[in-house]
Amino acid sequence: EAGVTQFPSHSVIEKGQTVTLRCDPISGHDNLYWYRRVMGKEIKFLLHFVKESKQDESGMPNNRFLAERTGGTYSTLKVQPAELEDSGVYFCASSQQPGGYEKLFFGSGTQLSVL
Amino acid sequence: DAKTTQPPSMDCAEGRAANLPCNHSTISGNEYVYWYRQIHSQGPQYIIHGLKNNETNEMASLIITEDRKSSTLILPHATLRDTAVYYCIVRGLTSGTYKYIFGTGTRLKVLA
Repeated sequence: EAGVTQFPSHSVIEKGQTVTLRCDPISGHDNLYWYRRVMGKEIKFLLHFVKESKQDESGMPNNRFLAERTGGTYSTLKVQPAELEDSGVYFCASSQQPGGYEKLFFGSGTQLSVL
Repeated sequence: DAKTTQPPSMDCAEGRAANLPCNHSTISGNEYVYWYRQIHSQGPQYIIHGLKNNETNEMASLIITEDRKSSTLILPHATLRDTAVYYCIVRGLTSGTYKYIFGTGTRLKVLA
């Protein structure tokens, strides 16, 4: 069974440009999460999809970030325009269903560098 | 904010048991304790979880105190590949939804 896949693994862009990160969750997983770690900081929650609906986007830093999950399958996270402080590793995770306990499966992340 | 506290770093000799402590004194009755680890440049990896009872799987054992205010992750025979940052997480209701909140974790270094 394929795990959570993220693309690209690395992205280097200039300040002001646009970048789109993609996440393919494990097939059949309704829950999809985005997290990120900026340099030296903890892994922070960004948002949570249940199928195609945004369940919780309380962690999105500002309106330069837009996440979508059309059709409830893969998800994209667009940063437009990118700023220097957006540099970090962006992780995607998926799970079958939340409940009493929920096991998240994480992708390997996208390393974003904004110059 | 994370609901757990962990020592920032630990060393362990290869082949010995690694015991990683975690404090979660504000845990609620229906909240699970999870352990994940992050090996350099990879995404976090699930290790084990528990509610009240001690748990064991092929990777590790989890010992939860009777009052549930603390727990210990045990890697019975640590190898060099176990060098990673280990996160103890209490998944709780935050801002109306359940989410994992990562703390700073414990950086475990397994020494040859």
